[in-house]
Amino acid sequence: NAGVTQTPKFRILKIGQSMTLQCAQDMNHNYMYWYRQDPGMGLKLIYYSVGAGITDKGEVPNGYNVSRSTTEDFPLRLELAAPSQTSVYFCASNLGQVGQPQHFGDGTRLSIL
Amino acid sequence: KQEVTQIPAALSVPEGENLVLNCSFTDSAIYNLQWFRQDPGKGLTSLLLIQSSQREQTSGRLNASLDKSSGRSTLYIAASQPGDSATYLCAAVTDSWGKFQFGAGTQVVVTP
Repeated sequence: NAGVTQTPKFRILKIGQSMTLQCAQDMNHNYMYWYRQDPGMGLKLIYYSVGAGITDKGEVPNGYNVSRSTTEDFPLRLELAAPSQTSVYFCASNLGQVGQPQHFGDGTRLSIL
Repeated sequence: KQEVTQIPAALSVPEGENLVLNCSFTDSAIYNLQWFRQDPGKGLTSLLLIQSSQREQTSGRLNASLDKSSGRSTLYIAASQPGDSATYLCAAVTDSWGKFQFGAGTQVVVTP
């Protein structure tokens, strides 16, 4: 019963490095989302996708990129990492109907030094 | 833009007391509202989902109400237990793509 799987769980990057955060779901959900959570704050939407090949920006997209080539996977790419991107990143998915709950992964804790 | 607020940011109650957690939102045009629980260092666990047409939802000791006209939702946890200690977040779905606007959460400590 995997649900939403995020890898890695932890990562430390140097300023200027790049990396990809992986997210996979096995529930055949059409909608997928990337959020970031800063200490003491709620989650903010970075990017979302409503199906393979379709993505759009959320509230805080600067410094990130996404792609969605399959229904299952929704990777988040950080280019030129900056200290302001130190955060906990959560991936979520939803069946695609507004009345359905979102399912979250366990998060990736990213520090940029 | 939808703003979601949770007050207080933290509270502590003795075991056995009922918990009342508040969530307010500025735009009543929401599709639904979801309550989550987050344990330290963990992801979010969905507790209750209330559709915009509903007034409340119940699951075991948990009851969530929704009053769109006043822009409020309340999560009640009956007979609190130390295992209820966690951060509780509410999130309102603001459009047909299911995008959430989250509150910052209420950190709850239930003391034995």
